[in-house]
Formats: sequence, C-alpha cells, structure tokens
Amino acid sequence: AQSVTQLGSHVSVSEGALVLLRCNYSSSVPPYLFWYVQYPNQGLQLLLKYTSAATLVKGINGFEAEFKKSETSFHLTKPSAHMSDAAEYFCAVSVGTGGFKTIFGAGTRLFVKA
Amino acid sequence: KAGVTQTPRYLIKTRGQQVTLSCSPISGHRSVSWYQQTPGQGLQFLFEYFSETQRNKGNFPGRFSGRQFSNSRSEMNVSTLELGDSALYLCASSLESVGNTDTQYFGPGTRLTVL
Repeated sequence: AQSVTQLGSHVSVSEGALVLLRCNYSSSVPPYLFWYVQYPNQGLQLLLKYTSAATLVKGINGFEAEFKKSETSFHLTKPSAHMSDAAEYFCAVSVGTGGFKTIFGAGTRLFVKA
Repeated sequence: KAGVTQTPRYLIKTRGQQVTLSCSPISGHRSVSWYQQTPGQGLQFLFEYFSETQRNKGNFPGRFSGRQFSNSRSEMNVSTLELGDSALYLCASSLESVGNTDTQYFGPGTRLTVL
C-alpha cells in the first residue's frame, strides 16, 4: 500500500536560512508525488509535482524538490526562507489509475523567525 | 477564472442531524474530490467523482456519501452526525485525472462543527 511519511511535525528556521522539509514515500509502483502548502483558514495550494519526468522539480515561490528513488524520498527545499513561507506543508502521493486517490502525509508546520 | 467554491464556509450541527456540503469546481473541470481534515487524522480522502460517477472511495463509513451533477458541481452528505465528524471538509477539482498527474485545485473548505 502506498503511504507518505513526513519527518518532523514542526520545523523552525530563521529568515534567510535554508528550508528543508522531509518526505519519504512507500509505493509499489512508480509514484506521482506532490507538495502542497496550506495557509491558515485556507485550502491547499500545489507547490510542485513529480510525474516521472525530471527528478529535480521546481515549483512556485522558489521551492524545489528532488525525487530520489534509491532513498524513496521527495524532500522539499528553499534556499532562503521568507516570513511569508510560514504555513503547513503536505507531501502527498497519488495512487491508482483512472482517478484520483491522493494519500497525504501528516503535514509539517514551518515557522520562520525574524 | 473563478476558483473552487464551497458552501457554506461554516456550519454548526448537533449529533444525529445530517448535513449537505456543496462544491462548485473550476469551470471545465470534470473531476471533484472530497477530503476530510482533522487535527488528529490529518487529511483523508473521502471520494472522487468524474462525469457523475464515483471513481474512487476512501475508508469512510456509509454515512458519508456524495454525488456529482451534470454541470460537475458536487455535494457530499453526512447522515447521523457524530462528534468525530467535526472537521474541515475540502473539495478539489481537476480537468481530468489521466495518470493521476493533473493538478488539483482546492477550495477554501467548509468548517463543520458537531455539538
């Protein structure tokens, strides 16, 4: 069965520092992987997605993620954190064919200190 | 282009009642998925509809049901509400879902509180 594990329910970084949010997946077939961001009282917004093309995926707001099959990882990074990056981030894997069944990780709340 | 809209945004019900939530997808989108978000369980998939047919279903009891209309608008219904049904219910739409790579666009959610 497919699953997603996000390491660290809370991550705190200083403004300007590197952001690294960890995600490991389990999938018996080549996965489609996603990172979403959720701001308070809002829905989810797609940051980026991996669909078996390039292993390094660039997303919005300066985020990127690298798919590493050998490590079953899809960590999200941003070189320099901004105060506006404070939010909850979800890693997700899409399973099945002919329709969506997205499995989300538990989420990582990112805090950015001034 | 207007985004995904969900109504109502907030709802308070009592145990045993039933509730219907509505989702209007982005114009032209044919797939609508529903998710439940709670602090304890996180984001959990409820079901997905495409062209008025339920294509995928999560592990929720039969009290949770949904449907999709010919204009792609979708409703979900929860009968015999329990306290544990208190959650943010999110709807997401996408054009198609061939290969599960289509981008899902999420609505702001409906916050349901069961007293």
